[in-house]
Amino acid sequence: RKEVEQDPGPFNVPEGATVAFNCTYSNSASQSFFWYRQDCRKEPKLLMSVYSSGNEDGRFTAQLNRASQYISLLIRDSKLSDSATYLCVVNVGTDKLIFGTGTRLQVFP
Amino acid sequence: DTEVTQTPKHLVMGMTNKKSLKCEQHMGHRAMYWYKQKAKKPPELMFVYSYEKLSINESVPSRFSPECPNSSLLNLHLHALQPEDSALYLCASSQEGLEAEQFFGPGTRLTVL
Repeated sequence: RKEVEQDPGPFNVPEGATVAFNCTYSNSASQSFFWYRQDCRKEPKLLMSVYSSGNEDGRFTAQLNRASQYISLLIRDSKLSDSATYLCVVNVGTDKLIFGTGTRLQVFP
Repeated sequence: DTEVTQTPKHLVMGMTNKKSLKCEQHMGHRAMYWYKQKAKKPPELMFVYSYEKLSINESVPSRFSPECPNSSLLNLHLHALQPEDSALYLCASSQEGLEAEQFFGPGTRLTVL
């Protein structure tokens, strides 16, 4: 089993739709969790950290489920500009950071 | 200023060349990183510097040599690279270590001929 797993997609959704991605992790000692977005041929950009209590930033909501070892990202009212690859990133201890392979989202008009 | 800058943006080099990639941040971050990213793959961590000291080397071949001249600068010296080393090289920084949010530079797209 991979340490961090994501559905590669692509998820093709119309503008205005709600879409959710999950990311599962295998190490129960994982401490910090992040979602990054990466546009084609660009650098990853931090979207949000994921906190135990869940957190929201505008149209984006992140959740952490430690019992089932997954994090999720919900995007409401999708925009064309949300089209990108979404990377799940998990930190374990002081010397390990694991990137998921990414989930590709394509929002169409 | 939440920017990490990298130079050059593009680099083409032969297998016998020596070149350097440069990265700079002015956010007062104490940790800096080098990553390698191939097309359609996630970034792979290469090196971590914490408080200007190399703290992690992910078994990277010696033809890649990192250097941290001060807390704002990070270099990656390249020598005798192979064509399979062609990739996007990303620099990132964070307030502390791997548990903190990282901010990435735009990357250097390297082609080895």
